[in-house]
Amino acid sequence: DSGVTQTPKHLITATGQRVTLRCSPRSGDLSVYWYQQSLDQGLQFLIQYYNGEERAKGNILERFSAQQFPDLHSELNLSSLELGDSALYFCASSVTSGSNEQFFGPGTRLTVL
Amino acid sequence: SQQGEEDPQALSIQEGENATMNCSYKTSINNLQWYRQNSGRGLVHLILIRSNEREKHSGRLRVTLDTSKKSSSLLITASRAADTASYFCATVTRTGNQFYFGTGTSLTVIP
Repeated sequence: DSGVTQTPKHLITATGQRVTLRCSPRSGDLSVYWYQQSLDQGLQFLIQYYNGEERAKGNILERFSAQQFPDLHSELNLSSLELGDSALYFCASSVTSGSNEQFFGPGTRLTVL
Repeated sequence: SQQGEEDPQALSIQEGENATMNCSYKTSINNLQWYRQNSGRGLVHLILIRSNEREKHSGRLRVTLDTSKKSSSLLITASRAADTASYFCATVTRTGNQFYFGTGTSLTVIP
């Protein structure tokens, strides 16, 4: 158990809908990272937050947004969902914003029908 | 793409044999990390090697880094069936802000 929690574990929804994925980092970790993992794209870095502020942006679509709250939990919002958004979404946390190891949550499996 | 690429994509070996997987990357790095992922689960950090290090050991794992060739290798010695998983390298940029994961090597260890 990494100490990172993600909810929900599974999510099934329809195209055009909006969903929110939630992540609680390990106790004491200030950085949160979001990744998307699909069969054809591999593990794609989406976005990073550090202590409430956006720190780095990867291949995140404009339909997606995220935020980190004062209690350091983070939410990833996916809107106008398309079939191709079906994937595993991972949250990871680390102590600082630097180059330390990341601790991954168990992931949320999103299925868009 | 700045992603690393692992080679081979898939590897199948007998229990007890050694497994070697390679990672090549494109940018200058602060460090390189190896992660393991069991099917459908989150990634687990295995080992970190800094850009000024050439070799590092952790238990049955041995990692090498050649920054001139922009490549790294992960060696798992005396493999076990429980080592069956996908292995990813992650390169961390000099600013430390960007993690780039490779495409992964799927390792199958046959009992």
